Amino acid sequence: DVKVTQSSRYLVKRTGEKVFLECVQDMDHENMFWYRQDPGLGLRLIYFSYDVKMKEKGDIPEGYSVSREKKERFSLILESASTNQTSMYLCASSSSGKGYNSPLHFGNGTRLTVT
Amino acid sequence: AQKVTQAQTEISVVEKEDVTLDCVYETRDTTYYLFWYKQPPSGELVFLIRRNSFDEQNEISGRYSWNFQKSTSSFNFTITASQVVDSAVYFCALSEMNTGNQFYFGTGTSLTVIP
Repeated sequence: DVKVTQSSRYLVKRTGEKVFLECVQDMDHENMFWYRQDPGLGLRLIYFSYDVKMKEKGDIPEGYSVSREKKERFSLILESASTNQTSMYLCASSSSGKGYNSPLHFGNGTRLTVT
Repeated sequence: AQKVTQAQTEISVVEKEDVTLDCVYETRDTTYYLFWYKQPPSGELVFLIRRNSFDEQNEISGRYSWNFQKSTSSFNFTITASQVVDSAVYFCALSEMNTGNQFYFGTGTSLTVIP
């Protein structure tokens, strides 16, 4: 089974801090994604990557950046955390080829609180 | 405009009742995939099913069944003889060939099965 591991289950950070959320997958998947989940809004795509060092903006990239130096690791960076970034963050991966037909495999999520 | 609509925000049923979760989608693409995911209280989204736009055959897996109707742009999910372990948030999602890795999620339906 695909395993997507997010480094932290819960995080509490202060406004203005730089925050790193780490995600690692063990199935050699080319595609990796960062979503944000908020009540009533479902899942919204922040960034995705289809290859090492490649990244694409999703629907809500403002205030975030990403890094993919190795195939198995995809990091989400909050350059200067703000309270409106308090949310559940979900990492996902999928296999290569026609990404649209490959199901996403999710990690357990990181619940970030910015105070 | 919302590409995937899950009009039911919350549903409660008594154990052993049947329940149907509705999903309506919008796309101009002729090639697309539809997905259902389950998110239990633990937080990890679990992939349940994928259906492509050329296959309208309904599918049954144990107590779960899916009804795909292109004529009404719907992909509904029925749980027969519900159990407490079915309590979760369920998400419907759409991916389109023309938009590649972009997945569009509905806002989710929270199902509570009362013992």
